Amino acid sequence: EDQVTQSPEALRLQEGESSSLNCSYTVSGLRGLFWYRQDPGKGPEFLFTLYSAGEEKEKERLKATLTKKESFLHITAPKPEDSATYLCAVQADNYGQNFVFGPGTRLSVLP
Amino acid sequence: EADIYQTPRYLVIGTGKKITLECSQTMGHDKMYWYQQDPGMELHLIHYSYGVNSTEKGDLSSESTVSRIRTEHFPLTLESARPSHTSQYLCASRETGYSYEQYFGPGTRLTVT
Repeated sequence: EDQVTQSPEALRLQEGESSSLNCSYTVSGLRGLFWYRQDPGKGPEFLFTLYSAGEEKEKERLKATLTKKESFLHITAPKPEDSATYLCAVQADNYGQNFVFGPGTRLSVLP
Repeated sequence: EADIYQTPRYLVIGTGKKITLECSQTMGHDKMYWYQQDPGMELHLIHYSYGVNSTEKGDLSSESTVSRIRTEHFPLTLESARPSHTSQYLCASRETGYSYEQYFGPGTRLTVT
């Protein structure tokens, strides 16, 4: 069964304490894996797209990596403004032009 | 920056009322989507459209309906609102072709009393 899972469900970090969020997927024919950031009461904001295993993307304190079974979002020296829910989504052969979203990881960065 | 708009941002309405949630984008995207999201929960696809006069139901059963008469406009209608419809509704659009990201609007927070 195709599915997208994320762990941990919630994560509390001290400012400056680096960590990683995980997105695991079991789909056939991955076409793209997407990371989004969502602030409370707002729509998701696009961060990265990864297409193939071994690919990496970086933006400020965030770095996303992809293997054949999972993706990691590494947060280096986070700041309180990085607090948000981080969502991953996949597009795969079985879904046509649609996406499947994971449940998200709620990140809190304490000052 | 994505140009996709949703109105209203917040709506409180009584049971039985008909409502339309508006979604517009100025990017010329063919693909448009409606998601439903309860607080702290994942996004569920309720409707999508691949172009003008094309609409399909998503994975989550919904009593809402949609229309796509113009490329830029994808409204969602509830004929008779119920408390179970209370949720956040998110509209998104993307370019045609695989591996293009979706851009989301700010969402409409609907409360049915």
